[in-house]
Amino acid sequence: DAGVIQSPRHEVTEMGQEVTLRCKPISGHDYLFWYRQTMMRGLELLIYFNNNVPIDDSGMPEDRFSAKMPNASFSTLKIQPSEPRDSAVYFCASRPQGLSYEQYFGPGTRLTVT
Amino acid sequence: AQSVAQPEDQVNVAEGNPLTVKCTYSVSGNPYLFWYVQYPNRGLQFLLKYITGDNLVKGSYGFEAEFNKSQTSFHLKKPSALVSDSALYFCAPDNTNAGKSTFGDGTTLTVKP
Repeated sequence: DAGVIQSPRHEVTEMGQEVTLRCKPISGHDYLFWYRQTMMRGLELLIYFNNNVPIDDSGMPEDRFSAKMPNASFSTLKIQPSEPRDSAVYFCASRPQGLSYEQYFGPGTRLTVT
Repeated sequence: AQSVAQPEDQVNVAEGNPLTVKCTYSVSGNPYLFWYVQYPNRGLQFLLKYITGDNLVKGSYGFEAEFNKSQTSFHLKKPSALVSDSALYFCAPDNTNAGKSTFGDGTTLTVKP
């Protein structure tokens, strides 16, 4: 199993540009989570899906952020327009249905907005 | 509402000494409790979990954790620390109603030779 796959691994963009982060969860996992990690704020849950349906997006910081999960094997997190304060490492994680299961994290996307 | 506290931002121990990374939580109902580890420039990795049963849980890399219901704690321990254990550790209770975990702020463990 390849684990959770995220792309790109690194993204450098200019303020105002659109950024799209991609995630492929582990096959068979029903939950998908998007996190953001910064030194100042630590690890923040942005949004999570169950069976492709968004369950809780209360962590999405602003309307500039949006996330979709069109099918069980793909999710995107989009920032439009991007701002320097969006610079962070963005993690995707997945886990199976059932509350006793741990989350499996991807390697993260390091986003730098200049 | 659920919450988790990792009272120490940093824990320093000498190699070969025992280590403890503390975690207390507030979760409604019966908690599922997880520890994750993050090495530099990597995603979080699952370390161990408490679901039910024996209060002492053993996990990867020789780590263990003790569930204490009366103190609502789930401290991570290891009898003999290694330099390679140096990393960022997260405690994460699971909200059994919502399907998501709440992550603590993390504790940086530094093991010195």
